[in-house]
Parts: sequence; structure tokens; C-alpha cells
Amino acid sequence: DGGITQSPKYLFRKEGQNVTLSCEQNLNHDAMYWYRQDPGQGLRLIYYSQIVNDFQKGDIAEGYSVSREKKESFPLTVTSAQKNPTAFYLCASSIRDTPRDEQFFGPGTRLTVL
Amino acid sequence: EDQVTQSPEALRLQEGESSSLNCSYTVSGLRGLFWYRQDPGKGPEFLFTLYSAGEEKEKERLKATLTKKESFLHITAPKPEDSATYLCAVGGGSARQLTFGSGTQLTVLP
Repeated sequence: DGGITQSPKYLFRKEGQNVTLSCEQNLNHDAMYWYRQDPGQGLRLIYYSQIVNDFQKGDIAEGYSVSREKKESFPLTVTSAQKNPTAFYLCASSIRDTPRDEQFFGPGTRLTVL
Repeated sequence: EDQVTQSPEALRLQEGESSSLNCSYTVSGLRGLFWYRQDPGKGPEFLFTLYSAGEEKEKERLKATLTKKESFLHITAPKPEDSATYLCAVGGGSARQLTFGSGTQLTVLP
């Protein structure tokens, strides 16, 4: 089955720690995305990647970092510089990065700061 | 600035009671409008893409329509399993990426 996987499902972080969220897709999609979802708000874009070895900042990139070394993988690191990291994080992919192409989402990772 | 507004924020229906969800947008040069369904604690599930005014798409009890200013998601004779949050997103305009609305939380009571 083709799809997007995210791990872990739940993640707990202590203040001052960096944590990395995993995202893998086997859809052969070029573009991948990271969103943050908070209660009552729309999805907000953190980072996106149009192609391997390239990525761009989204609307709320401060305190986050990414890499895109393989087409299938787009991990997100939440650094200690992110002031309010508790949220639901969603990874998505699309066949191309255009405004006409639908994005497909993974199951999400819920991050909680202790 | 590109904006997407969904209404109502929450909607409670009795099983079999048809209704519509609204997605209003202000985007110059719409390239695509997307509807998703999201269950609690899960990622959004893709439902439909609409590209131009007048276009309609259907899937089971759901029908999505598009005008130049808004899109409607019509739910005919809903069942409790249709309970979810429905998200709308638009592509185009000044934003380089998709702009998402805040969603409509639908509850269908048996």
C-alpha cells in the first residue's frame, strides 16, 4: 500500500531538548510538507521541499529545521528555540509542488512539552 | 492577503438531516480548491479537488460545488459515521502554498 507514515505517534519533550519527527512516503512524490495544527486554527506551514536536497521556509519556520536527503524522507527537528512546540504535527506530500495538486497527509505526531 | 473562511464552526445534525458546509475564499486567480475530512487525532483525508466555477464532484453522500467566491460541501442524509471536521484549502493567489480554513466540526446524531 502506498502512503505516508509518521513516527512516533506521541512524543514528549522536556524543556531545552531537541526532538526529531519522522516522515516517510512511498508515493514517489516530489514535494513534501510539514504543517502544525493547533486547536481552532487552520493548518500552518512550517517547511516544504519541492525536490531532494532543497527546502524552503513556510510561514512559521522559526525554531524548526528540516533535511531532504532522500526523496522518500523529510524529517522535522523541533529545536529548543521553538517557544511553544506543543501541537499536532502533520506531514504531507504531493506529486508536484503546484497550487493545483492535492496534498496527501500522514497520520500525525502529537508533541507535548513537559 | 489570501483568506479562507469556513462556516459554521460547528454543526450538529440528526441522522438523515441534509445540510451544507460553506468555504468562502478571497484568492485572486484560484488554481484549486480542496476539501478534506479529518477525524479526531488523525491526519486529514483527501476528498475532492475543484478547479473552476461551476464544477461539481460527488462521493457517496457528499457533493462539493464551486463558485467564484465560495465552495459548498453538501451532505445528503448524513449518518453518524460522517461526523468529523471538514477542512477546505485553496491554492493560487499571492500565497505560494495552500491556505487552509479552520474547519467545520460536524456531528451527526443517531
